[in-house]
Amino acid sequence: GENVEQHPSTLSVQEGDSAVIKCTYSDSASNYFPWYKQELGKRPQLIIDIRSNVGEKKDQRIAVTLNKTAKHFSLHITETQPEDSAVYFCAASRNNNDMRFGAGTRLTVKP
Amino acid sequence: DGGITQSPKYLFRKEGQNVTLSCEQNLNHDAMYWYRQDPGQGLRLIYYSQIVNDFQKGDIAEGYSVSREKKESFPLTVTSAQKNPTAFYLCASSVTGGVQNEQFFGPGTRLTVL
Repeated sequence: GENVEQHPSTLSVQEGDSAVIKCTYSDSASNYFPWYKQELGKRPQLIIDIRSNVGEKKDQRIAVTLNKTAKHFSLHITETQPEDSAVYFCAASRNNNDMRFGAGTRLTVKP
Repeated sequence: DGGITQSPKYLFRKEGQNVTLSCEQNLNHDAMYWYRQDPGQGLRLIYYSQIVNDFQKGDIAEGYSVSREKKESFPLTVTSAQKNPTAFYLCASSVTGGVQNEQFFGPGTRLTVL
């Protein structure tokens, strides 16, 4: 089955700097790669996703890049703000709906 | 945050007891999922169901059971066979239609074994 690895496990940046979180996946048939944000005590919520037919997607300060050949994808957050502090999870899935998640990255944005 | 609910929010169980966690959604989603979340380990898939009366084991199904008698409901039973059940349990749902789509999560149930 699919195996997703996520790095780093913790990340601390100064407000205004950029943050990058990287994930690798094992199943070359995976074609859907979402990123979820989980604030303390709350449920995970989707912030951006990408399908295997595109290499990059951007939504305001958030972007995701996908390298199918290398089987890795990354989340980029620019101009970070204290409210970006949370745990971020990457995930990978095929069409059969059994999604696998990375272990998470705890991002801290220091004011 | 509406659409998918879980109850109870906190649950305490004595060793040797079975407990059932509720998950209900009114989003008309075909697919539903159960995950276990432990510190530092992300979300691990327990069971998932793509359609009523059908479900598949995930990576850590041992000691758990599910049913899917109605589209709206996907209860999870934590049996006494689960050796380390203390964790945060998240239910999710999504549309299907041949491709994977966004999963919407419930607020979670925190289970503690006393």
